[in-house]
Amino acid sequence: GIQVEQSPPDLILQEGANSTLRCNFSDSVNNLQWFHQNPWGQLINLFYIPSGTKQNGRLSATTVATERYSLLYISSSQTTDSGVYFCAVDYSGNTPLVFGKGTRLSVIA
Amino acid sequence: ETGVTQSPTHLIKTRGQQVTLRCSSQSGHNTVSWYQQALGQGPQFIFQYYREEENGRGNFPPRFSGLQFPNYSSELNVNALELDDSALYLCAGRGRGGTDTQYFGPGTRLTVL
Repeated sequence: GIQVEQSPPDLILQEGANSTLRCNFSDSVNNLQWFHQNPWGQLINLFYIPSGTKQNGRLSATTVATERYSLLYISSSQTTDSGVYFCAVDYSGNTPLVFGKGTRLSVIA
Repeated sequence: ETGVTQSPTHLIKTRGQQVTLRCSSQSGHNTVSWYQQALGQGPQFIFQYYREEENGRGNFPPRFSGLQFPNYSSELNVNALELDDSALYLCAGRGRGGTDTQYFGPGTRLTVL
């Protein structure tokens, strides 16, 4: 099955710093989503981005489908950005999401 | 607001017992999926339902079963609980607005003692 690898596994930032999280996937995908999991376990949708670039406030994401990777950029990080960031992909609209192991981000004031 | 709710939020059971977890997704989520997330891991797919029929299953034993109802609600049933079943169980809805975006509920944290 499709493999999803995320890097780095852990990241510690000073408040105000910028960061880039990477997601590599092993096959062509129909759907790619980035999530932020808060300390209570809720998976919050950040981006639906099977290709191209999107921006939402301090966050932006780019997926290069032909090269099978996606990047999540966090600028001017805040303590509330702390948590685990997951990348997840699927083959088609009828197949389940396959998740990476996540990047655990800690933003320190 | 994801439009997906789950109950209960927390649950404690003992080994060998049975448990039912519930999920309610808003109209338009015609596909409902369940995932298990062990501590420190990414969510793992259990199964999914489309229009009340199971149409996909991950690598989970038959003691994990489910139902989807006409009102878009869904249940996950686990029989003969084992200690390793302790995890966060997540329900996701898909299909709203004709997109493939999956929206997750807040999860049920199950502890098996």
